[in-house]
Amino acid sequence: EVQLVESGGGLVQPGGSLRLSCAASGFTLSTYWMSWVRQAPGKGLGWVAHIKEDGSDKYYVDSVKGRFTISRDNAKNSLYLQMSSLRAEDTAVYYCARSPYSSADLWGQGTLVTVSS
Amino acid sequence: DIVLTQSPATLSLSPGERATLSCRASQSVSNYLAWYQQKPGQAPRLLIYGVSNRATGTPARFSGSGSGTDFTLTISNLEPEDFAVYYCQQRNNWPPTWTFGQGTKVEFK
Repeated sequence: EVQLVESGGGLVQPGGSLRLSCAASGFTLSTYWMSWVRQAPGKGLGWVAHIKEDGSDKYYVDSVKGRFTISRDNAKNSLYLQMSSLRAEDTAVYYCARSPYSSADLWGQGTLVTVSS
Repeated sequence: DIVLTQSPATLSLSPGERATLSCRASQSVSNYLAWYQQKPGQAPRLLIYGVSNRATGTPARFSGSGSGTDFTLTISNLEPEDFAVYYCQQRNNWPPTWTFGQGTKVEFK
């Protein structure tokens, strides 16, 4: 089955760190751009970051630059998002998404990150 | 940065009616315009990419159109399962960052 499964979310204090993982199955991860998209509770979708097929290029929304790092391990069919210096406004469900042709054609179920003391 | 503005915020319709959702960009965008459907508690689902191309599994009652700064998602004959929130999304030419609209909720009248 073609799917993405996120993990690693949870409750973290402001200023803390968290690493999200996304396991891909049923397709060859190394042939796709991949993305992270988040959704704050009751709000709309917000793009977070992209990574090229081989990991050589990465792009971020301005609000997470210098705090978040997207990476991938194609041999392990996995995508990651390392988040540090977390703020209350980073609280959201984080989705990983497969991103061919500049849109997301496959989404995971999401993992909730809550930043609160 | 390009801003996408969706209208209306909420569309109240009955099954069988036609839904017309608008997505307006603050400046001209390329053909990298997509539409997604999201139901409560679920991940978004890609409906349309490249302005007018239906994604795999998207019913023919969904169609996308537009160019420049004005884009439209039309649902020709609403089915009960179509009541959801719809988002448009565009990709900048360079750097290839994304922007989403704020969403349009299609609700039962």
